[in-house]
Amino acid sequence: NAGVMQNPRHLVRRRGQEARLRCSPMKGHSHVYWYRQLPEEGLKFMVYLQKENIIDESGMPKERFSAEFPKEGPSILRIQQVVRGDSAAYFCASSRRDANQPQHFGDGTRLSIL
Amino acid sequence: GQQVMQIPQYQHVQEGEDFTTYCNSSTTLSNIQWYKQRPGGHPVFLIQLVKSGEVKKQKRLTFQFGEAKKNSSLHITATQTTDVGTYFCAGPTSGTYKYIFGTGTRLKVLA
Repeated sequence: NAGVMQNPRHLVRRRGQEARLRCSPMKGHSHVYWYRQLPEEGLKFMVYLQKENIIDESGMPKERFSAEFPKEGPSILRIQQVVRGDSAAYFCASSRRDANQPQHFGDGTRLSIL
Repeated sequence: GQQVMQIPQYQHVQEGEDFTTYCNSSTTLSNIQWYKQRPGGHPVFLIQLVKSGEVKKQKRLTFQFGEAKKNSSLHITATQTTDVGTYFCAGPTSGTYKYIFGTGTRLKVLA
């Protein structure tokens, strides 16, 4: 059974470019969460999605950041016009049914902005 | 807004010593989850507590949920080097599906 798959593992972008982070949830999971983690800090909630719906995006910056989870294909976290402060590890997690279930995390994408 | 704090932030112990991390929420939680993140790794689910006063054990790990469902603890007996990592608690915000993660406790075990 494949776990949560995130790609790429590492992504380097120059300031002003776009970053696209992908997440395929575990089989049978229909709920996806995105978190951001700075070095030696905790996990900051960004967005919670179900298929074709954004349920809660209260943790996501209003500008430059967007997320989607289409009917077919992986969930995408998109960061436009990246800045140095966007450098972080971005983790995706998935769960069954509702939020009162264990979250299974992917290996994360380490985003570095030059 | 809701906050979930953990103490201590860091803990260094000698191998074989016990370790405890405490998790405190500013609001009552319907349930609490615990995760472990190894250095350079991703969080891994350990356990979920739901009932007031609930205690669960996993080998050397003991998890407790407070009577008021606002705090929780994780106790490790006789730590081993494999216990190294950061331990996070996480609780759902009221009426939403969003989980707030605690600040984490970073454990180092000295051989």
